Amino acid sequence: GEDVEQSLFLSVREGDSSVINCTYTDSSSTYLYWYKQEPGAGLQLLTYIFSNMDMKQDQRLTVLLNKKDKHLSLRIADTQTGDSAIYFCAEIEEAAGNKLTFGGGTRVLVKP
Amino acid sequence: DTEVTQTPKHLVMGMTNKKSLKCEQHMGHRAMYWYKQKAKKPPELMFVYSYEKLSINESVPSRFSPECPNSSLLNLHLHALQPEDSALYLCASSQDIGDSQHFGDGTRLSIL
Repeated sequence: GEDVEQSLFLSVREGDSSVINCTYTDSSSTYLYWYKQEPGAGLQLLTYIFSNMDMKQDQRLTVLLNKKDKHLSLRIADTQTGDSAIYFCAEIEEAAGNKLTFGGGTRVLVKP
Repeated sequence: DTEVTQTPKHLVMGMTNKKSLKCEQHMGHRAMYWYKQKAKKPPELMFVYSYEKLSINESVPSRFSPECPNSSLLNLHLHALQPEDSALYLCASSQDIGDSQHFGDGTRLSIL
């Protein structure tokens, strides 16, 4: 199975908060990342969290890390239509030569 | 705006053609990557260069040939591709292997 798992789809109303969840398996991960991909574009690095932290806030984005449960989440406050995109969580796998391993991506649709 | 520049943005080629994809970064990063992304899937790692030397080849067919002429440039030479090679090809760079990766907008490749 996949080392990093995400739910496939999230629909949210404009102005509400979005929460995207991710689980990972590599307990040696040092950094965990969130990337955003809009249609026809590359991946934009949104934020990342070091594994010894449990929370990081950056403007509308809040990352929560539960290292015991290997659970990562990204909360987007006041979701806007421009937030509609695919969101990938990713971990650096030290055991695999520091490769970046992606989850399958969560498609977020923001409805007006 | 991305700091990793990829050209061309789109490429259509026949199975007998030879073409090259180009990637450039001026952030002083010493690790550069090629990924392949199919529709609705996460990126898959193809090659990693570290300090201009090939560090990882993820068992990619020889019809894909990477080249790193200097620390700012990364090429992917294509020859005798198959229709299933049609995809978005993404380049990324990071300060060093294991650091945050920054992606270009990709080259959308179609094989006729």
